[in-house]
Amino acid sequence: GQSLEQPSEVTAVEGAIVQINCTYQTSGFYGLSWYQQHDGGAPTFLSYNALDGLEETGRFSSFLSRSDSYGYLLLQELQMKDSASYFCAVRDTGANNLFFGTGTRLTVIP
Amino acid sequence: DTEVTQTPKHLVMGMTNKKSLKCEQHMGHRAMYWYKQKAKKPPELMFVYSYEKLSINESVPSRFSPECPNSSLLNLHLHALQPEDSALYLCASSQVSLSGTDTQYFGPGTRLTVL
Repeated sequence: GQSLEQPSEVTAVEGAIVQINCTYQTSGFYGLSWYQQHDGGAPTFLSYNALDGLEETGRFSSFLSRSDSYGYLLLQELQMKDSASYFCAVRDTGANNLFFGTGTRLTVIP
Repeated sequence: DTEVTQTPKHLVMGMTNKKSLKCEQHMGHRAMYWYKQKAKKPPELMFVYSYEKLSINESVPSRFSPECPNSSLLNLHLHALQPEDSALYLCASSQVSLSGTDTQYFGPGTRLTVL
């Protein structure tokens, strides 16, 4: 089975940096993805880590430690529009489906 | 074109109705998915089609019946639903890949209410 745990809520100030953690237990592992979902909207892909280390894409970075079964999403220079839910997700080995984490609701305040 | 479209955006149906949700993509993706999402919860996988064949059915009740008429279209037929089936139904598509790097592109969803 799959289990991905995230903090349920995080609040941060505009312009600050915030880290959203994800710990996972999976029967197979093909890398960790991150998706953003605004209220009423569709999940959109943010980043993917297959190997240990940091991946940077603009203001967003994602980190993976396979030995610790742990990853995080780092959001820098927070903007109000970053208020959304963030999901980590893993893909079953040999399958084509994503299993999503519990989700973190990020609220950015002025 | 990186868009997945879904119709209708909103649907209200009674427990005896039959309705269908539709999904379309023109990105050449050969994997398509149906997810169900309840409020404040993550998307839950329902079905996966790979090369127009059903490859995964996550023990979904038979009142949900998927169909993939061609590589661009995905339908979800609904019959005799229960109020607890009210949710956001998301369609997604991706390349078929063994490497795990296949980004899934999601449609905006159909907000379903069962009365």
